[in-house]
Amino acid sequence: AQSVTQLDSQVPVFEEAPVELRCNYSSSVSVYLFWYVQYPNQGLQLLLKYLSGSTLVKGINGFEAEFNKSQTSFHLRKPSVHISDTAEYFCAVSTNDYKLSFGAGTTVTVRA
Amino acid sequence: SQTIHQWPATLVQPVGSPLSLECTVEGTSNPNLYWYRQAAGRGLQLLFYSVGIGQISSEVPQNLSASRPQDRQFILSSKKLLLSDSGFYLCAWTGARESPLHFGNGTRLTVT
Repeated sequence: AQSVTQLDSQVPVFEEAPVELRCNYSSSVSVYLFWYVQYPNQGLQLLLKYLSGSTLVKGINGFEAEFNKSQTSFHLRKPSVHISDTAEYFCAVSTNDYKLSFGAGTTVTVRA
Repeated sequence: SQTIHQWPATLVQPVGSPLSLECTVEGTSNPNLYWYRQAAGRGLQLLFYSVGIGQISSEVPQNLSASRPQDRQFILSSKKLLLSDSGFYLCAWTGARESPLHFGNGTRLTVT
């Protein structure tokens, strides 16, 4: 069975501070990993993805994520957040049968 | 360019009534199609996915069913709605496993 766990449901953070959103998955097969963002009253947008190769992937808006196979994790980071990063973030896992599952989401609230 | 259409945008149905939500994709062939339900605090719950006509994978045993009568048409149905079926339903497609998901605008279903 495949599951995606986002360990933090709410992450408050001050502007210009770093942020890390944690994601762990369980799967017995090889996976592709994704992070999506949903801004208030908008649809989901792809931030970044890991398919193969370098375990550190860079995405849009200064976000990056690191794939750790031994820990089955794909944590998302940004060294300095802006007010505009306030959104809900979703980790997603795709297996080779095209099943694509999402985590429960992490709400990031950036305060001045 | 590819587009995804999902309707209706909102729907209010009484308990015990049937349901049919339709999703169509234009501008591509043989898309992988998905139905999700989004609820606060639960992220996107994968309901069904399909990699081809007549091929449906069900993820959550419940009061819903899905069908794919044509290559670019995906239908979510129920014979008798329950109160617990209320929620925000999203249809999505992707052309390849490594490609990002493209979402429809969603249907807000309220079962009364």
